[in-house]
Amino acid sequence: DAKTTQPPSMDCAEGRAANLPCNHSTISGNEYVYWYRQIHSQGPQYIIHGLKNNETNEMASLIITEDRKSSTLILPHATLRDTAVYYCIVRVAQVNSGYSTLTFGKGTMLLVSP
Amino acid sequence: DTAVSQTPKYLVTQMGNDKSIKCEQNLGHDTMYWYKQDSKKFLKIMFSYNNKELIINETVPNRFSPKSPDKAHLNLHINSLELGDSAVYFCASSQDQGLASNEQFFGPGTRLTVL
Repeated sequence: DAKTTQPPSMDCAEGRAANLPCNHSTISGNEYVYWYRQIHSQGPQYIIHGLKNNETNEMASLIITEDRKSSTLILPHATLRDTAVYYCIVRVAQVNSGYSTLTFGKGTMLLVSP
Repeated sequence: DTAVSQTPKYLVTQMGNDKSIKCEQNLGHDTMYWYKQDSKKFLKIMFSYNNKELIINETVPNRFSPKSPDKAHLNLHINSLELGDSAVYFCASSQDQGLASNEQFFGPGTRLTVL
């Protein structure tokens, strides 16, 4: 799986949009971009994923550049409960069952303040 | 209602002991995993099981033996515990159908402390 680069930490004011960047310059054409987050003392939680097009769900939006070498996770209105470590992961699209494991990096520690 | 549950949540034990961590998922998924998160917070895959069969064993010492009695359960047994085994262990599951686009659901973790 391609490696990703994320800033170690970011701050965001409550109610503002949090924009978390991720570089994945070696991504292959068959690799998805995934985002997970881990709130303190909890298990990782899936947020969103995408291949080429921008994606949006009830939690966040994912913007992928046209060359797919970077992406941005957007939390439109950050709350205190969004304070967590956010992981950007790239993974191949087609795998045999059971081989779709996740390779976590160091992630970005997002601190949302009042 | 918990999708992926683990027991116990905390486990404190002496070096050399044998212990087990249990994991159950009620999502009907056919693939389950064990991950280890060390003191530096790195989260690494240990095992992957699909339909009760071992698929991935990521260079884990053979003191660690996963057991899957059925698709809904994947237990982790650890023999001769060592100080370095102290970590948080996460169980996860997913519904794999040949696509990596399926998300993984994680349990709350088991914090193992070896004294």
